[in-house]
This record gives sequence, structure tokens and C-alpha cells, in this order.
Amino acid sequence: GQQLNQSPQSMFIQEGEDVSMNCTSSSIFNTWLWYKQDPGEGPVLLIALYKAGELTSNGRLTAQFGITRKDSFLNISASIPSDVGIYFCAGRADYGGSQGNLIFGKGTKLSVKP
Amino acid sequence: DAGVIQSPRHEVTEMGQEVTLRCKPISGHNSLFWYRQTMMRGLELLIYFNNNVPIDDSGMPEDRFSAKMPNASFSTLKIQPSEPRDSAVYFCASSWEDSYNSPLHFGNGTRLTVT
Repeated sequence: GQQLNQSPQSMFIQEGEDVSMNCTSSSIFNTWLWYKQDPGEGPVLLIALYKAGELTSNGRLTAQFGITRKDSFLNISASIPSDVGIYFCAGRADYGGSQGNLIFGKGTKLSVKP
Repeated sequence: DAGVIQSPRHEVTEMGQEVTLRCKPISGHNSLFWYRQTMMRGLELLIYFNNNVPIDDSGMPEDRFSAKMPNASFSTLKIQPSEPRDSAVYFCASSWEDSYNSPLHFGNGTRLTVT
């Protein structure tokens, strides 16, 4: 079946640094979503992308829908301590399809540098 | 807006016991989803409902799992009998409608431990 590869699996951040993570799929996707999950809570939607090449920002977060439709990127600028958590990408291959066809990546865990 | 409410937050039970997880979706949302999250497999969709009707239960791992949605404001996920490999965090999510641009709102999950 369809799979999403999310990288890196984990990373450490120092306050003020920029952070990048990405997600690739084995097939073409037509929707890309980015979620954040804090400890003990459910995922919360950060950014939704519906068009190839689309670049969307939400505060310090910027996400892009790759031109090939097989990847997406999430960047966090000037990271702050509350950015720690797990970031998930999610994608859907069918146009205008059901939420039931949403596939999630395994997540990128952001931690603070010791 | 109270968000999606799940109960209990934590459940510890012994193998063979019946477990019932509960979910109250956001008022006015017509679609409800049950997910399971584990370290190995990440977030997996188990089943989802539109207007209280189950649409796709292909993600339900075995006959031991069942889900119901008797009305628009309540759903249950039942495991009977439970097994240690069922240990995971179970999330309920709801959306206004089952369309690509209607975002999922997740509850805070139920952490299930089966010993």
C-alpha cells in the first residue's frame, strides 16, 4: 500500500535555530497536511496544502507541496522551546477524497538540545 | 468549543477483559474517526463513520474489535477479549464533513495498557 517516509525521525533544536523536515511518498499525493502532537495530547493541524507547488505559512511555520506531488516540506524559523513535540505529515492520493484515505507519516520528534 | 472528548484517559486491564473506549465528537461534526497509535506502526485508521453510519472498517484489526455510533454525539470502540498487543493510544477524531478540506480534530486519546 501507499507509504509515507518522514525524515528525520528525530532532531534536537536550540532556541533560535531554523528547523526543516520532509515527507516523501511512493506515489502521487493530492493533499498534504502537517500536524503537531504535544505529549499527552492528540495531533493538531498546522498547515494544509491542496495544490502542487503551493507554499503556505502559519506564523513561523512554512510548508510546501512539492512539484512532483510526491513530497512536502515543513520549515520552522527561529525555533522556541514550545516548538518541541512530534510533527506528522499526512497525505491523500485521491482528488477531493474521503478523510478515511488519509495516510500519516511516522513523525519527526523535536527535542531541545541538552 | 469543548473539542473532542475521550474517556477514559488511561485504562489498564488484564488480558481477556473487555475494554470500552468512549468518544464525544465536536457538536455539529458529521464524521467520526477512530485511530490507533503505536511506536511501531504510527497512526492507523481503524474505522470511520459518516452521519453515524460506518463507512470503512477495513482497518479494524480483528473481530475482537467493534465500534458503534448510536447517535451523533457518542461513539464507542470495544475490544473483547483484550490482548497485550492491543496496548496503544487510541484516538478519536471528528470533522465537519467527510471531505478533503474539512480538517480532523483529534481528542487527547485513551492510553490502553493490557497486561
